[in-house]
Amino acid sequence: LAKTTQPISMDSYEGQEVNITCSHNNIATNDYITWYQQFPSQGPRFIIQGYKTKVTNEVASLFIPADRKSSTLSLPRVSLSDTAVYYCLVGDWGNAGNMLTFGGGTRLMVKP
Amino acid sequence: DSGVTQTPKHLITATGQRVTLRCSPRSGDLSVYWYQQSLDQGLQFLIQYYNGEERAKGNILERFSAQQFPDLHSELNLSSLELGDSALYFCASSVEGSPYEQYFGPGTRLTVT
Repeated sequence: LAKTTQPISMDSYEGQEVNITCSHNNIATNDYITWYQQFPSQGPRFIIQGYKTKVTNEVASLFIPADRKSSTLSLPRVSLSDTAVYYCLVGDWGNAGNMLTFGGGTRLMVKP
Repeated sequence: DSGVTQTPKHLITATGQRVTLRCSPRSGDLSVYWYQQSLDQGLQFLIQYYNGEERAKGNILERFSAQQFPDLHSELNLSSLELGDSALYFCASSVEGSPYEQYFGPGTRLTVT
């Protein structure tokens, strides 16, 4: 499984756009990139998944450059309720087993 | 609400004891996963079941075991409990064909004293 590196923590203010970047230099051809969000004492929640270029849903956007060695999760106009830990995961969930391998995540603090 | 239910919510027990954690997946999901989250180890995958059969094993101790029943609910059994087993235990389920999109339950907080 490709190793991921993301900032340990980030601070932002309400209404700002937040971009969290994840490095995955050893990503394999069949690997997909997935992001999860976790609030304290709750289970992680799936946010978004992508393979290349840009993916957008009602919650976030995911930008993946052509070399796929990194990805950026973009949260538009964050609010206090977006304070959480965000995990970047990389894997080939079709062939390499279905488990999710979580790293340390990025602790996002949104301030008023 | 993810649709995954876990009981009990909290469990306090003594070292050496045995406990059973229960999970009901979302309606229609055949896969069930168990994860352990402790302060020092983060979120760790333990084991996966698919339609009653064990599919994948992670860092699950020999003192721990799990099973998935015909109605698809799953139980995680933890025995000979140690202080270090104190953690949040999450169950998750996924739709066939989308294993990366897992729905997590609210967790069971186990405290071993």
